[in-house]
Formats: sequence, structure tokens, C-alpha cells
Amino acid sequence: KAGVTQTPRYLIKTRGQQVTLSCSPISGHRSVSWYQQTPGQGLQFLFEYFSETQRNKGNFPGRFSGRQFSNSRSEMNVSTLELGDSALYLCASRKGQETQYFGPGTRLLVL
Amino acid sequence: ILNVEQSPQSLHVQEGDSTNFTCSFPSSNFYALHWYRWETAKSPEALFVMTLNGDEKKKGRISATLNTKEGYSYLYIKGSQPEDSATYLCARLNTGNQFYFGTGTSLTVIP
Repeated sequence: KAGVTQTPRYLIKTRGQQVTLSCSPISGHRSVSWYQQTPGQGLQFLFEYFSETQRNKGNFPGRFSGRQFSNSRSEMNVSTLELGDSALYLCASRKGQETQYFGPGTRLLVL
Repeated sequence: ILNVEQSPQSLHVQEGDSTNFTCSFPSSNFYALHWYRWETAKSPEALFVMTLNGDEKKKGRISATLNTKEGYSYLYIKGSQPEDSATYLCARLNTGNQFYFGTGTSLTVIP
């Protein structure tokens, strides 16, 4: 079956702009989590959506938001981009308490 | 321990050597411990999911153990090969259904 897909794969934005990233989970997976990875940092948890509801939220400012649609696809939005938002953004889907399956990530560069 | 910690941060071994690294985590509200293997330019790939104290899992030359009472897990690689070069991540899933990742151990196997 198809894996987790993320679009776009690469993105360049300037400070102050906003960006929307998309994640399509594995079919049948209702949980989608988003992570940020910056150099020297581990994967930082942003939020998790399950059945169109945010189930968990990490310690990120309100500029970071997300949503999930009825088909379990999820989007993540970052408003008023800052240079420090340059990172690899990964999404992962899972079924129940099983392991997570990660997408290829979106690499965002903020200039 | 408040956070998930991994050691060492990086490791260089000769081909054929066996190696191991550690993941330490808070033992309270523990649900499961996940290990991932993350190769450059690829997505993190799940290796093991462990839940019970004393669990041991094995996949080929790689194995892992879990001690939930003292809050640690070991990952062992027997007879390291160049293709084992990757970053190995552990993640603790708590009873609140939230993942906390360590910063990873970067393994380089020298031919």
C-alpha cells in the first residue's frame, strides 16, 4: 500500500509570509502527527490529529496550526514565518497504538 | 530523567565490530518505546516497538532490550556493516498518547 506522502518536498519563503504543508497518511490510518527537525535538535513534536480533532499539542507558538480532513489528510500552516522556522517538517501516520510511519518530509527554507 | 536522552551522540565503528547505544527516558506514564532508523535523505523507518519491561526484540543483526522500571533501552548491532550507517532514534510514547523523541545516535560504519 502507498506510504505517507507530503507536499511540497521543498519550499523557499521569505520572513513574514505564511506557508501550508500537506500530508496524506497511509490508507486506514486516522492519526497524523507533525514534527519539526532543525540542525542539532531531535524531532520536536508539533501536534497530532485524530478524526479531525487535535489530540495532542507540543510546545510551539500559535503561529503553528494544523487541521485534519474527513479523509484523514492533514495540513500544517505556519503564519508570519521567521528565519528560525527553517527546518525539515515531517508528518507521520499510525493506526491505534502501532508504530508511526513517516513521510519524506518538507524542507522549508525561510529567507 | 525529564526528557528522552540518547548516548552517545555519534559513533564511528569499523566494519565487523559490534556496537550498542542507549536510550534513557522517564519511566512514569510510560506506554511504549519505539526505535527508528533514519538514513540520510530518507524517512525514519520503524525498527522496534516495545512495551513490556524485559522485552527483547530482534531483527537480523539488530536487537533491542527494554527496562521500563529504570527507564532505559539498549540497541545492539552485531557485526556492523556500512549499510548500518544511519541515525538511530528512540521515542517514548506516554499514556497520554504523545511521542517524545531523543536527539538520536549517529552511527558511521567505516569499511
